[in-house]
Amino acid sequence: EVQLVQSGAEVKKPGESLKISCKGSGYSFTSYWIGWVRQMPGKGLEWMGIIYRGDSDTKYSPSFQGQVTISVDKSISTAYLQWSSLKASDTAMYYCARRGNGGYFDYWGQGTLVTVSS
Amino acid sequence: QSALTQPASVSGSPGQSITISCTGTSSDVGGYNYVSWYQHHPGKAPKLMIYDVSNRPSGVSNRFSASKSGNTASLTISGLQAEDEADYYCTSYTSSSTYVFGTGTKVTVL
Repeated sequence: EVQLVQSGAEVKKPGESLKISCKGSGYSFTSYWIGWVRQMPGKGLEWMGIIYRGDSDTKYSPSFQGQVTISVDKSISTAYLQWSSLKASDTAMYYCARRGNGGYFDYWGQGTLVTVSS
Repeated sequence: QSALTQPASVSGSPGQSITISCTGTSSDVGGYNYVSWYQHHPGKAPKLMIYDVSNRPSGVSNRFSASKSGNTASLTISGLQAEDEADYYCTSYTSSSTYVFGTGTKVTVL
C-alpha cells in the first residue's frame, strides 16, 4: 500500500528554523516526484514546489522560490520542506503528494500543521 | 503565475448535476493535457478525482466526469449526493515546469 506519512504538528516562533518531513512507503520512492502544497487558514491550496530523486532536480513555484527549500534523502525515502527563518505568515497546513505517471498527484500525506506565533 | 479561476461556490439539490469551470491560459490549461481535479475536505488529505483532463482513477465514482476546451477545463458531478459536499480544486501543469492550483470551489448540496 502506498503511503506518505508526514511529521507532526509544529509550533514555532518567528525567526526560528524548521524542517518538516514526508516519508514514502509501499512504492519505489526514487521513481516519483514529490510535491509540497500549502493551505493557509481559510484559504485555498497552493503549489510550492516538487523534487525528483534528490538529484537536485527541484522546481519551485515563483511565489515560493527563495522562501523555502525542498530536499530529499532517498536512503530513507523521505522528502523535506524547510524554512531558515519562519514568519507568522508561514502558519498553514502543509501537504506532500506523490506525482503519478502523468501530470497529477495520486497519493497525499495527512498534512503537517505549522503554527508560527510569538 | 496566477491561480486558475474557479467559481467560489456551486450548489445543487440531490440528484442534480453541477459543473465547475477552471479557466487558465495557454501556458497552463490550454497548453497541456495535464489538468487534474481534487476533492478536499478541510483538515484531510485532498483526493484525486480526475487526472490528465478526463480520466478517473480506480475507485472514483463514474458520477464524476471532466473535459477541456481551449483554456478552460470543467468538472461535472452527476446525480449529486450529500457526500459530494466539499471543496474542489483543479490543477494544471505549467510552462514553468511546475503546477498551479485553481482558486477552489465550494460545492454545497442543498
